Amino acid sequence: QKEVEQNSGPLSVPEGAIASLNCTYSDRGSQSFFWYRQYSGKSPELIMFIYSNGDKEDGRFTAQLNKASQYVSLLIRDSQPSDSATYLCAVEVRGRRALTFGSGTRLQVQP
Amino acid sequence: DTGVSQNPRHKITKRGQNVTFRCDPISEHNRLYWYRQTLGQGPEFLTYFQNEAQLEKSRLLSDRFSAERPKGSFSTLEIQRTEQGDSAMYLCASSDRGSTDTQYFGPGTRLTVL
Repeated sequence: QKEVEQNSGPLSVPEGAIASLNCTYSDRGSQSFFWYRQYSGKSPELIMFIYSNGDKEDGRFTAQLNKASQYVSLLIRDSQPSDSATYLCAVEVRGRRALTFGSGTRLQVQP
Repeated sequence: DTGVSQNPRHKITKRGQNVTFRCDPISEHNRLYWYRQTLGQGPEFLTYFQNEAQLEKSRLLSDRFSAERPKGSFSTLEIQRTEQGDSAMYLCASSDRGSTDTQYFGPGTRLTVL
């Protein structure tokens, strides 16, 4: 079992719709969770992070964390073609500084 | 704040040659990380520095790989006797000592080993 799992996609949504990206993790010692966006050929760009169970909103983005289910998600409201990218879920385990990344989900927003 | 910078951006080398990459973190960030990313995968952790001390190394970091951060500012990653399997994007990230410890990535160095 991979430490951080994401559906590779592509996830295709129409412009203006809500895109829902999911991530599960295996280590119950995980304490911090990050979402990065990566355009083709570019480096990861931080979107947001979450530490506590529940929802955290930042503009069009909402991160959701459920530690009991070991599940973290990212919702993108009013999706735009410019949101088309690979979204990487990353997890920081307590006591370590290294981030463990999933393989990413490719999102395609259709105009 | 100019962000994390990395040089060179691209490197093509022949198998068996040595290569060195440089990373300049965001100013005053005391933590610096190296990751490697291959096509279709997420970044994989290689090593981590706090100031000049190398505090964590992945088992991915074979004896052909060495990283330094001599003055606690910029860092170098050297790969000796490169192999074709070393072809990847090498990413550097930095973070500060704040509670979030959020890592910000540089543009990466793309290595191609022929």
